[in-house]
Amino acid sequence: NAGVTQTPKFQVLKTGQSMTLQCAQDMNHNSMYWYRQDPGMGLRLIYYSASEGTTDKGEVPNGYNVSRLNKREFSLRLESAAPSQTSVYFCASSAAERGAQYFGPGTRLTVL
Amino acid sequence: GDSVTQMEGPVTLSEEAFLTINCTYTATGYPSLFWYVQYPGEGLQLLLKATKADDKGSNKGFEATYRKETTSFHLEKGSVQVSDSAVYFCALLTDSWGKLQFGAGTQVVVTP
Repeated sequence: NAGVTQTPKFQVLKTGQSMTLQCAQDMNHNSMYWYRQDPGMGLRLIYYSASEGTTDKGEVPNGYNVSRLNKREFSLRLESAAPSQTSVYFCASSAAERGAQYFGPGTRLTVL
Repeated sequence: GDSVTQMEGPVTLSEEAFLTINCTYTATGYPSLFWYVQYPGEGLQLLLKATKADDKGSNKGFEATYRKETTSFHLEKGSVQVSDSAVYFCALLTDSWGKLQFGAGTQVVVTP
């Protein structure tokens, strides 16, 4: 049982480059989330998707876009990367709106 | 707004010592409360949860009781092992669509 998978595991970008982080879950969960983790700040929500076909902004959405491709997949796109986006990015999913969230292994992104 | 406050780390303990990590919260309504654990280089794993006042969550020897009167959800373990070395996050969930509010995390280091 793979749970939540993320690709890539590591990525280095130059300022201004674009990239898409991929996330997929095989637990038939309705809700999916993207977080970023920075030292001393816990996790902050970037975007979420309560169900297939819907997406909404979280706490720190600026500089990011998302796509809920289908029930399984939820991607995060950086159109023009900035050094402030250097972080570890986690995808999560949950079955119910008030249920526990299950996290992927993360993508460590460095923007030079 | 909703918030979670955790004790700062690192917390350094010897093997078999008693561990307590304090967590207090501010929230409107009736939040669900969670503890997540993050081992080095990995994503977050759900450790335990409690959904209403006086509930006790437990898993792998860890326990936490939802105290509404003191707005607290302190994590405890009676005898820690080196393998418990990790970062522990307290989180609350109040929104209907499932947004988690995380504390900053507490690093625990257990020495032999």
